[in-house]
Amino acid sequence: LAKTTQPISMDSYEGQEVNITCSHNNIATNDYITWYQQFPSQGPRFIIQGYKTKVTNEVASLFIPADRKSSTLSLPRVSLSDTAVYYCLVGEIYGQNFVFGPGTRLSVLP
Amino acid sequence: DAGVTQSPTHLIKTRGQHVTLRCSPISGHKSVSWYQQVLGQGPQFIFQYYEKEERGRGNFPDRFSARQFPNYSSELNVNALLLGDSALYLCASSLKGDGFSGNTIYFGEGSWLTVV
Repeated sequence: LAKTTQPISMDSYEGQEVNITCSHNNIATNDYITWYQQFPSQGPRFIIQGYKTKVTNEVASLFIPADRKSSTLSLPRVSLSDTAVYYCLVGEIYGQNFVFGPGTRLSVLP
Repeated sequence: DAGVTQSPTHLIKTRGQHVTLRCSPISGHKSVSWYQQVLGQGPQFIFQYYEKEERGRGNFPDRFSARQFPNYSSELNVNALLLGDSALYLCASSLKGDGFSGNTIYFGEGSWLTVV
């Protein structure tokens, strides 16, 4: 599993766009990039997954440059309810290699 | 469609006791995996089952065991509970049995276990 590096925490204000970047320098050719959101006392919620370029769904966008050594989760116009921990995972997403890092704690302020 | 469902949602046990946690995967999903999440940390992998066979095991003692039933539901058993077993236990399901090719896992809300 490719090691990932994310900011430990970020602050934003309601209505702003938030971009969380994840570094994964040793990503393998077959690796996908997956992002999860977790609220306190709840299970992680799948947000988005991608392999290259750009992926968009109703919740977020995922930008992946050509070298795939990083990815950026973009949350448009965040609200207070987006306050959560966001995890970036690269590669095999379960099994012995399934390792969640500390994630990015996003705080959305009024 | 129902998501991954887990029971019980909360429970309190005494040191040395045994606990059984249950999980029903999303309809059609054949892979179930279990994770332990201690407060303030990310989830840690415990077991994965696919088509009723164990496919992987994390770095947990033999006190932890699991099984998957013909209907793809699963149980996690923990014997001789320790205070350090207090955590949120998460179950997740996926359609396929491997982690590649864009397979995605979906988590339940978890079972909060407190050992006193």
